[in-house]
Amino acid sequence: EDQVTQSPEALRLQEGESSSLNCSYTVSGLRGLFWYRQDPGKGPEFLFTLYSAGEEKEKERLKATLTKKESFLHITAPKPEDSATYLCAVQANGQNFVFGPGTRLSVLP
Amino acid sequence: ETGVTQTPRHLVMGMTNKKSLKCEQHLGHNAMYWYKQSAKKPLELMFVYNFKEQTENNSVPSRFSPECPNSSHLFLHLHTLQPEDSALYLCASRPTGGHEQYFGPGTRLTVT
Repeated sequence: EDQVTQSPEALRLQEGESSSLNCSYTVSGLRGLFWYRQDPGKGPEFLFTLYSAGEEKEKERLKATLTKKESFLHITAPKPEDSATYLCAVQANGQNFVFGPGTRLSVLP
Repeated sequence: ETGVTQTPRHLVMGMTNKKSLKCEQHLGHNAMYWYKQSAKKPLELMFVYNFKEQTENNSVPSRFSPECPNSSHLFLHLHTLQPEDSALYLCASRPTGGHEQYFGPGTRLTVT
């Protein structure tokens, strides 16, 4: 069975304090790994897609990396507006998407 | 604004009511999804439509009935719901050949 776990469940950072979020997965044939950002009361917003181990993607203060078993979302010098829940999802050979429970990030000014 | 709209944004219904949720996408995508998001739980896939054909029903109770009249519109018909069905219901679309999903803002459903 395809599974996605994320850690930590919640993370509080001071503004400017860099850190990483983890997404671990077990799937039968990875077609893609996805990161989304979700603000309270809104739907998830697409951030990145990673397809193969070693791949990296960057957007502003965010950088996503992928290995054969996990992905990291690195946040460099975060700002309060980066506060959100970050969701990881995988698409396996069955083609449907399996989401992790998310990491709730709070960045304090 | 993602190009995926959902109405209503909030809905309160009794257990004996019948209501419908609507999703519309303006992106020209051909795959559409319904997800349920409950507190402290991952998104749960409910239904998938590709080119108006249902390709996935993730063991969803029959009190939830989807309808996809065309590639731009998706409905979720609700009847005789239970309080545990209270959740955020999210619609998403995906382009043909693409992998990323674009989500609507969701409908916050409360069953009393």
